[in-house]
Amino acid sequence: AQKVTQAQTEISVVEKEDVTLDCVYETRDTTYYLFWYKQPPSGELVFLIRRNSFDEQNEISGRYSWNFQKSTSSFNFTITASQVVDSAVYFCALRRAQAGTALIFGKGTTLSVSS
Amino acid sequence: DAGVIQSPRHEVTEMGQEVTLRCKPISGHNSLFWYRQTMMRGLELLIYFNNNVPIDDSGMPEDRFSAKMPNASFSTLKIQPSEPRDSAVYFCASTPGQSYEQYFGPGTRLTVT
Repeated sequence: AQKVTQAQTEISVVEKEDVTLDCVYETRDTTYYLFWYKQPPSGELVFLIRRNSFDEQNEISGRYSWNFQKSTSSFNFTITASQVVDSAVYFCALRRAQAGTALIFGKGTTLSVSS
Repeated sequence: DAGVIQSPRHEVTEMGQEVTLRCKPISGHNSLFWYRQTMMRGLELLIYFNNNVPIDDSGMPEDRFSAKMPNASFSTLKIQPSEPRDSAVYFCASTPGQSYEQYFGPGTRLTVT
């Protein structure tokens, strides 16, 4: 069975703080994809990153970074120097490697950044 | 390029009425997904299509829900009759292939009174 757990329901930080959103997944597949999506207050789902299970390199994109560790089945997301505009719900998701399979989402973490 | 297009963006209807949600995927994408988002259940898959063919509809709640994809550029999700517990945001997403992310539409917020 496939499952994604985001244990942090809500996180509140003050601007410029660093924050890490945790994601733990379960799968028996050896090949799979992991994703992070952002859902701002406006409601749309914005793609942030896709990671193939064979690629454990960490990735940095501006203030965003992702730490993928197969040994602990985790795919954590860190925002450095958070900003108010980062306030949103963040979803981690898992997808099997077969063509066209659907995303399995975690419950999401609501991040609130205050000024 | 235009993203995934959904209509209507908001729908308010009375219990028992038929509701039809529409989706136009990104041109060239061969997989289309319908998701539902509620506070209680989060984001959950309802059904998905590959090359216009329904592949997995196990997430469709019950017979009141049906989905079609008559061609590569259009899909509908119909609820008949609607019930208050169907109130949710319904997202449509498409992807060009297995190695790619899914691109989501803006969603349709459905309220059934």
